[in-house]
Amino acid sequence: GDSVTQMEGPVTLSEEAFLTINCTYTATGYPSLFWYVQYPGEGLQLLLKATKADDKGSNKGFEATYRKETTSFHLEKGSVQVSDSAVYFCALLSGNQFYFGTGTSLTVIP
Amino acid sequence: DAGVTQSPTHLIKTRGQQVTLRCSPISGHKSVSWYQQVLGQGPQFIFQYYEKEERGRGNFPDRFSARQFPNYSSELNVNALLLGDSALYLCASSSLNQGGREKLFFGSGTQLSVL
Repeated sequence: GDSVTQMEGPVTLSEEAFLTINCTYTATGYPSLFWYVQYPGEGLQLLLKATKADDKGSNKGFEATYRKETTSFHLEKGSVQVSDSAVYFCALLSGNQFYFGTGTSLTVIP
Repeated sequence: DAGVTQSPTHLIKTRGQQVTLRCSPISGHKSVSWYQQVLGQGPQFIFQYYEKEERGRGNFPDRFSARQFPNYSSELNVNALLLGDSALYLCASSSLNQGGREKLFFGSGTQLSVL
């Protein structure tokens, strides 16, 4: 079945460090791919998305490229800030159902 | 504009009881989905409703049921609660009829604790 596997955390980085959170997927057909972010005590918020191969989603300095050949959608940011501390979820949309990864907790220290 | 609203925010029940969770979608959104998020895990799909009809169901037992009302709000019911039902229950809305299938907006969730 369809599924998402993402890098386990927690991840702790210093401010201005480079961030990569790995995500790979298994899906039949051609899913859309997403990164969601969850701040403490809040629901999930869409961070970025890509709907077809080679698309690059970007938002707030975060980027991810839909790589069909490696079935990956890794999240990157060149310089993280303390305010980026949150849990990040990779997800795919297949049909009308979203499949989420287990989440990666990121803590950025000053 | 109000986002997706869920009530209550927190709930404590005991094993065997029944619970009803409520969700109001964003104005204009006709689709509501429910997800269960166990601590340390990603959300798991439970149900999707569109125009008051069930359009999808995840791998959950029949103790879980839901419905959508004419105003597009929704309720999730869980009967015969088990300890393992303790989780954050998230509601999400989207506007399928405008090609917005991928624009999923989440509420803050209802934290259910089963003792």
